[in-house]
Amino acid sequence: DAGVIQSPRHEVTEMGQEVTLRCKPISGHDYLFWYRQTMMRGLELLIYFNNNVPIDDSGMPEDRFSAKMPNASFSTLKIQPSEPRDSAVYFCASSAREARGGYTFGSGTRLTVV
Amino acid sequence: GIQVEQSPPDLILQEGANSTLRCNFSDSVNNLQWFHQNPWGQLINLFYIPSGTKQNGRLSATTVATERYSLLYISSSQTTDSGVYFCAVRARGSSNTGKLIFGQGTTLQVKP
Repeated sequence: DAGVIQSPRHEVTEMGQEVTLRCKPISGHDYLFWYRQTMMRGLELLIYFNNNVPIDDSGMPEDRFSAKMPNASFSTLKIQPSEPRDSAVYFCASSAREARGGYTFGSGTRLTVV
Repeated sequence: GIQVEQSPPDLILQEGANSTLRCNFSDSVNNLQWFHQNPWGQLINLFYIPSGTKQNGRLSATTVATERYSLLYISSSQTTDSGVYFCAVRARGSSNTGKLIFGQGTTLQVKP
């Protein structure tokens, strides 16, 4: 298995632009998580899905953030409009049923909003 | 919500030394994981260990769930062990069955 695949690896965009981050989880994993990592706040859970259904989006900062999982093999995290404070590394992770056996993280997307 | 506290926050070792990293948590858990974030930013799952002891090469981990702590042991450290070590937990009885809460991490530097 190729693991959790995220794209792009790096994204530089101007304030106000729309940004879309993509994630392909490990085949057969039922859970998908989006995390954001910053120096100030560490690793924060933004949203997670179980069987493609959003379960907890309480970590999504505000309405500018949205996430979808149209099928078991693909998820997107969208920021519209982007702001400089959104600059961070965004990680996607997946796990098997009930999160047992551990998470597998993707390589992350480093987002810079200028 | 559950609190996760890791210590020490920073650690510098000479290559070949041993170390122990600690994770304390404020409530009963049914899921605990240790991760290593290497200097390139990749997060690697080291152990899934809600209780008991596991070993993987030079690394081992022990979780004493009744006393609400977990320890990560690194023996004969190597420069490639450098990075940040995170502990992450899920509270027992949590209504959000998948939600892991991460500690702030221990930053380890191993010098040659």
